[in-house]
Amino acid sequence: AQSVTQLGSHVSVSEGALVLLRCNYSSSVPPYLFWYVQYPNQGLQLLLKYTSAATLVKGINGFEAEFKKSETSFHLTKPSAHMSDAAEYFCAVSGSRGDQKLVFGTGTRLLVSP
Amino acid sequence: ETGVTQSPTHLIKTRGQQVTLRCSSQSGHNTVSWYQQALGQGPQFIFQYYREEENGRGNFPPRFSGLQFPNYSSELNVNALELDDSALYLCASSLTGTTNEKLFFGSGTQLSVL
Repeated sequence: AQSVTQLGSHVSVSEGALVLLRCNYSSSVPPYLFWYVQYPNQGLQLLLKYTSAATLVKGINGFEAEFKKSETSFHLTKPSAHMSDAAEYFCAVSGSRGDQKLVFGTGTRLLVSP
Repeated sequence: ETGVTQSPTHLIKTRGQQVTLRCSSQSGHNTVSWYQQALGQGPQFIFQYYREEENGRGNFPPRFSGLQFPNYSSELNVNALELDDSALYLCASSLTGTTNEKLFFGSGTQLSVL
């Protein structure tokens, strides 16, 4: 079985500051990991995904995440926050490539102040 | 804009009633997944349909049922509604069988059970 834990239900940063959203996973098989973003009154949008090709994954909107097997982590980062990054971010895991049955974390709300 | 549309956007029902939620997949997609997102939680996988057949189910009781039609649109039916069924219901479509399968989410149906 797979699961993910997102540390911190809320993260606050200033515009221009580093964004770091934490995700740790648990999986009995090599995991496939995802980060999704959800803006108010909208569905989820894929930011990036890890499918074992490379440990550092670059996504849209300047986000990237690094898979660290030794730490069972897949933290999301962005060097410089923008006001438009304010949203809810979800980490998710599946057990195989192409498996669309994702297990999501509880989410982290990113707040960006001017 | 993902091309996945859900209707209605909001719905209010009373306990014990039945509800049908609808989803129109992105053109060309053959797989649809449904997720339940309770307030303050991450989405939870309900079930998935591939070419009109159920292709996996999460930990939801049988009163949650679904259909996928030949045009790949889909319905989620919930019988004997309970207060805890109040949530945002998300539909996601994808194209199974490609090398870059990706979920495209709709904006969801917000169901309130009173």
